[in-house]
Amino acid sequence: QKEVEQNSGPLSVPEGAIASLNCTYSDRGSQSFFWYRQYSGKSPELIMSIYSNGDKEDGRFTAQLNKASQYVSLLIRDSQPSDSATYLCAVRPWANNLFFGTGTRLTVIP
Amino acid sequence: NAGVTQTPKFQVLKTGQSMTLQCAQDMNHNSMYWYRQDPGMGLRLIYYSASEGTTDKGEVPNGYNVSRLNKREFSLRLESAAPSQTSVYFCASSEARTEETQYFGPGTRLLVL
Repeated sequence: QKEVEQNSGPLSVPEGAIASLNCTYSDRGSQSFFWYRQYSGKSPELIMSIYSNGDKEDGRFTAQLNKASQYVSLLIRDSQPSDSATYLCAVRPWANNLFFGTGTRLTVIP
Repeated sequence: NAGVTQTPKFQVLKTGQSMTLQCAQDMNHNSMYWYRQDPGMGLRLIYYSASEGTTDKGEVPNGYNVSRLNKREFSLRLESAAPSQTSVYFCASSEARTEETQYFGPGTRLLVL
C-alpha cells in the first residue's frame, strides 16, 4: 500500500467552477499535510499546508483535513486556466520525511 | 536570490557511465534533499542531508551516493548509470528537516541509454 494515494486524473473543470482534489494516506501518525502545484516541465511549489482537522482557507484555495478518515482535500474556487497543473499531495509522518502522491492533473477549460 | 539551482538541466548517459548532479542553494538552509520523479510513481526521496556534515538514505538510495560539500551545496552521484535511473531529478532545500516549506530546484532530466 502506498503511503499517499491520489487519483491521477485528468480532472477537467470549466473556468469559474470549483475543482476538488482528493488524497488519502496510510500512516495514522501523520502530522503535517501539504499541497504542491507543479506546472508541466517545472518544479513543485508549495501552495497550502494544513496540520489540524477542519478547513484552512487561503484566497481561492481551501485545504480540508480529516485525520479520522485519513483524508486530505484541496478545493480551488473560481478555477482559472492558469490553475491547470498537476497537484501533488504530500504527507509527513511524525518527524519523518515527506511522502508524495503521484499527483492529480487538473485542466481548467476556458 | 537564485534560490535552488541545479546543473546540468539535461544529460544523456550510456549504461555504465558515471556523473554527478550538482545542487546549490543561497537561502542559508540547513537541510537539503534529492528526489527523483517518474511517471506514475510521484516524487521519491533518494537521500537527504538534515544539516551540514550529515547525510541519510531516503526511500530509494540504491545506485546513488551523495556529498554535502558545504552548507550551500549537495551533490548526487551515479557511479554506474542504469536505464532504470532515467528520471527527472529534483534538489530541494528547507530551513530545517521539519520545516514545512521545501523549495525545489528546476530539475535535471537524465536519460540513460
